[in-house]
Amino acid sequence: NAGVTQTPKFQVLKTGQSMTLQCAQDMNHNSMYWYRQDPGMGLRLIYYSASEGTTDKGEVPNGYNVSRLNKREFSLRLESAAPSQTSVYFCASSERGGGERFFGPGTRLTVL
Amino acid sequence: GQQLNQSPQSMFIQEGEDVSMNCTSSSIFNTWLWYKQDPGEGPVLLIALYKAGELTSNGRLTAQFGITRKDSFLNISASIPSDVGIYFCAGQHHTGNQFYFGTGTSLTVIP
Repeated sequence: NAGVTQTPKFQVLKTGQSMTLQCAQDMNHNSMYWYRQDPGMGLRLIYYSASEGTTDKGEVPNGYNVSRLNKREFSLRLESAAPSQTSVYFCASSERGGGERFFGPGTRLTVL
Repeated sequence: GQQLNQSPQSMFIQEGEDVSMNCTSSSIFNTWLWYKQDPGEGPVLLIALYKAGELTSNGRLTAQFGITRKDSFLNISASIPSDVGIYFCAGQHHTGNQFYFGTGTSLTVIP
C-alpha cells in the first residue's frame, strides 16, 4: 500500500517548455488535489477533483490544466512553463471532499 | 484566499523541552488538522480535530480545537531530535470542503 505516489521527483524546465506531473493513489479515495508550496506561502490549491470525471479550479489555477484519468490517477499539466511556476508540487487525496488530505512526496520543479 | 496565521515562524529548542505552537484564523472553522513535513517529503497528518474544545493526543503530541473555533494549538512534550521538521495547521470552513493551510512552524531540536 504505497498511498499517494508522484513522478517525477525532480524536474528542470526551460521557459516555454511543457510537462505533465503524474499522481496516483491506491487508497480508493474519491477526491484528489494538486497543491503548490512556496516559501512563506503555505500550501495553495491549484486544482481538485471531487470525484472521478470532475475537476474544479482552486486558488491558483492559472497556467495549469488537470486530467482525472480514472479514480486512481490525477495529472497536472504545464503547457508553457514560466519561472513563476518554480515550486514544489504536491498531490493529495481524500476519501471524500471534506476529508483529511493525504499527501504524496512532492515534485520539485525549477523553471529557468 | 483565507489566511491562517501560524506562530511562531521558527523555534530552536533543547532536546527534552516542551513545544507549543498555534494557528489563528479570521473566520470560523469546523475542522482543524495538524501536519508535519520532513525535509524533502510531503506533509504527514498528525492529528485531526472536529469539535470546538476538543483535545486530542497522538503519543507526545496534543492538539486542541479552540473554543472560539478560530484557533488551534499543538503541543509536543519532551522533544526529541526526530521532531525536527515543519509543522502546518490546516482549517476547513463549515460551508465548504477546502482546507486552508498555515505558513508553517519550523522546529529545530538541539541535542
